[in-house]
Amino acid sequence: GQQLNQSPQSMFIQEGEDVSMNCTSSSIFNTWLWYKQDPGEGPVLLIALYKAGELTSNGRLTAQFGITRKDSFLNISASIPSDVGIYFCAGQNNAGNMLTFGGGTRLMVKP
Amino acid sequence: EPEVTQTPSHQVTQMGQEVILRCVPISNHLYFYWYRQILGQKVEFLVSFYNNEISEKSEIFDDQFSVERPDGSNFTLKIRSTKLEDSAMYFCASETGSYEQYFGPGTRLTVT
Repeated sequence: GQQLNQSPQSMFIQEGEDVSMNCTSSSIFNTWLWYKQDPGEGPVLLIALYKAGELTSNGRLTAQFGITRKDSFLNISASIPSDVGIYFCAGQNNAGNMLTFGGGTRLMVKP
Repeated sequence: EPEVTQTPSHQVTQMGQEVILRCVPISNHLYFYWYRQILGQKVEFLVSFYNNEISEKSEIFDDQFSVERPDGSNFTLKIRSTKLEDSAMYFCASETGSYEQYFGPGTRLTVT
């Protein structure tokens, strides 16, 4: 099946720092999605990307859909303590189709 | 803001018992999904459901699993005879067809 490699697995940063994480795949995806998951809760959709090369922002979050359609990155600027959580990338081929998730990046922010 | 809801939040069951996990997707959504997440691992797709039938399922979704949309609002996942390895968080998700899947808070299933 399709695999998404997400890196880094974890990050421990100082409040105020910028963060970058990425996902790569051997397969092409038509849509990339980024989710945040807090402990014991469901994934919350942060950003959806639909076109190769697309750059989309949501507040302090910026994500890009790679030109090759096989990768995506997520940047968080000026991190704050509530950014703590696990960030997952997910790829989808068509509406109504399954999401393939990356392994997640655990973000820890030191005040 | 509309959201996906799931009940119960936590279900404890004995091995071999049947469980039904319930979901109420967002009301105008057309595609419905079940995913699971074993503790500390990534989210895994189980099954997708559209137009009152399964559209796709994974290898995990074997004969012990079934899904149903018994009325206009509920979407259920049944595990006929639970095994220890079925212990996980189970998430329901839904979308309009916009490619954006919205997840519920999950049901933690513990099989003893």
